[in-house]
Amino acid sequence: GQQVQQSPASLVLQEGENAELQCNFSTSLNSMQWFYQRPEGSLVSLFYNPSGTKQSGRLTSTTVIKERRSSLHISSSQITDSGTYLCAGMNQGGSAKLIFGEGTKLTVSS
Amino acid sequence: GPKVLQIPSHQIIDMGQMVTLNCDPVSNHLYFYWYKQILGQQMEFLVNFYNGKVMEKSKLFKDQFSVERPDGSYFTLKIQPTALEDSAVYFCASSWGGSAETLYFGSGTRLTVL
Repeated sequence: GQQVQQSPASLVLQEGENAELQCNFSTSLNSMQWFYQRPEGSLVSLFYNPSGTKQSGRLTSTTVIKERRSSLHISSSQITDSGTYLCAGMNQGGSAKLIFGEGTKLTVSS
Repeated sequence: GPKVLQIPSHQIIDMGQMVTLNCDPVSNHLYFYWYKQILGQQMEFLVNFYNGKVMEKSKLFKDQFSVERPDGSYFTLKIQPTALEDSAVYFCASSWGGSAETLYFGSGTRLTVL
């Protein structure tokens, strides 16, 4: 099965609303990371968050290793937050390999 | 922050031709990666590379694909010959260490095979 599962697949918000994006990952992965993929395709690294909670501006990431989940919270969403949010984990053992989920496509409208 | 540069940003070629995608990784990084993303689909691992060698390649990394980093210059992905299904965006990434490291991604090269 999928090693990284993200939910929801898509999300539509009004500007100013908060968003909670979920990522569940298999026991074969750790060192979770979150990326933002702009509508035109380029990737922006948001968080490297193997465990615990990290915050950057309006974004907060929480990873709970024991529960094999990581979340990304976006507060007071803005139209420019629209795009796809990707969760990824590094495989344990073997060679360095980052495995991505299918992403959550976020649309923020006015 | 650290930047990974990919050249060119777009490439259009005819099926059967050879193409080389270039990546200029972060200067002190030791691990290099290529990922493939077909439009609207999942980011898929192709290959990783360390110390002049391929460490692991996925089943997407066909025999027509090859990677190298001659003399510490560009990290390249060569496809020879290209096929229609190779049309995708190819992302290069680099990291200082192997596991448990942040990967830094380039902006991608959009390859269109006609």
